[in-house]
Amino acid sequence: GAVVSQHPSWVICKSGTSVKIECRSLDFQATTMFWYRQFPKQSLMLMATSNEGSKATYEQGVEKDKFLINHASLTLSTLTVTSAHPEDSSFYICSASQGQPQHFGDGTRLSIL
Amino acid sequence: GQQLNQSPQSMFIQEGEDVSMNCTSSSIFNTWLWYKQDPGEGPVLLIALYKAGELTSNGRLTAQFGITRKDSFLNISASIPSDVGIYFCAGYYGGSQGNLIFGKGTKLSVKP
Repeated sequence: GAVVSQHPSWVICKSGTSVKIECRSLDFQATTMFWYRQFPKQSLMLMATSNEGSKATYEQGVEKDKFLINHASLTLSTLTVTSAHPEDSSFYICSASQGQPQHFGDGTRLSIL
Repeated sequence: GQQLNQSPQSMFIQEGEDVSMNCTSSSIFNTWLWYKQDPGEGPVLLIALYKAGELTSNGRLTAQFGITRKDSFLNISASIPSDVGIYFCAGYYGGSQGNLIFGKGTKLSVKP
């Protein structure tokens, strides 16, 4: 149980493109979903927390206009990286929970050329 | 802010050896979690600990929630090559939902 699916797993696109990443909880209803960013050889850094039907809460230093989060249902959250640039290249990971603990997707590797 | 100090940063061991890693904090945590992350994948939950003093096993893995609620350890017995990966401790602090923070990870390498 507690399966979280993230799609796509890998994206390569040109600078200026907007990229949407989906996160779905497959076998449970997630009251809260989280988006993390991970740089090579580093730990996970929380970007934002979202509750279904509410605006996401962004961590300090994370641009909400750059990283648009939509949590339209209890099983789906999306992260859109708008007008992506090479510095946005990273590994993005979502997680979902019904409280504790969080269960993670397999991540999306985003490469901006 | 809250911080978790995870050690060691990396380990190189021989297959069959036992492994121990730990996390400490200056603050009290409500829950301790241990995750494993393989390259290019998301973290997978190994063990969740909810009560101070709790000792929980999952196969060859054993983890304990420290009695002071400020530390936790993870032991792996009789390591095998597929144990290779990065192990993260994580802890919840604060209210009922709480905030989750991660340690910096322990990279485990196992020689066959």
